[in-house]
Amino acid sequence: DIQMTQSPSSLSAAVGDRVTITCQASQDISNYLNWYQQKPGKAPNLLIYAASNLETGVPSRFSGSGSGTDFTFTISSLQPEDIATYYCQQYDNLMYTFGQGTKLEIK
Amino acid sequence: EVQLVQSGAEVKKPGESLKISCKGSGYSFTSYWIAWVRQMPGKGLEWMGIIYPGDSDTRYSPSFQGQVTISADKSISTAYVQWSSLKASDTAMYYCARASAVVDYFDYWGQGTLVTVAS
Repeated sequence: DIQMTQSPSSLSAAVGDRVTITCQASQDISNYLNWYQQKPGKAPNLLIYAASNLETGVPSRFSGSGSGTDFTFTISSLQPEDIATYYCQQYDNLMYTFGQGTKLEIK
Repeated sequence: EVQLVQSGAEVKKPGESLKISCKGSGYSFTSYWIAWVRQMPGKGLEWMGIIYPGDSDTRYSPSFQGQVTISADKSISTAYVQWSSLKASDTAMYYCARASAVVDYFDYWGQGTLVTVAS
């Protein structure tokens, strides 16, 4: 199984701050890495697919980068509505793994 | 509009059986894989397994193999996950999600079904 190590597990930042979350895969997954946002009581929502592609309708302050084993998710300027938990997810031959999640709070 | 609509919340006792559902609409149900994802209270997302309704090809996470059964009825565009004997540790929110055309990410999600197992 491919394991995903996501960090940090929680993060407090001020409105307008740049926020970065990382995800590391236990082996090379090329660009098969996606990012989701989950707000309390809601289903997850896809933000970034294939490491760096912004899903339609997602604000441009969200971005992703990386390939191989190391990936980064960035919010360029944190907004109050971005309070949520963020998950990375890898894909390998019809098997999927999520990272542990990063809970983002406003400072 | 693509929609995945899940069945309602369930309260069951340990040892009971259960089958929850996920009905797809607004797209060709038989052409996209449907996954199930568990979220235990206060915890993260766990991928359980995935089914291709077109031919019922099914894959399971090693953590869930033998613990649940995933199935689909393409005639009514519905996917299922079932338990034969529930445990308290099965208490969780369960989501279905459609895998994209390239299969590697989940582009649409159901609203979730809360399963509570308590004596």
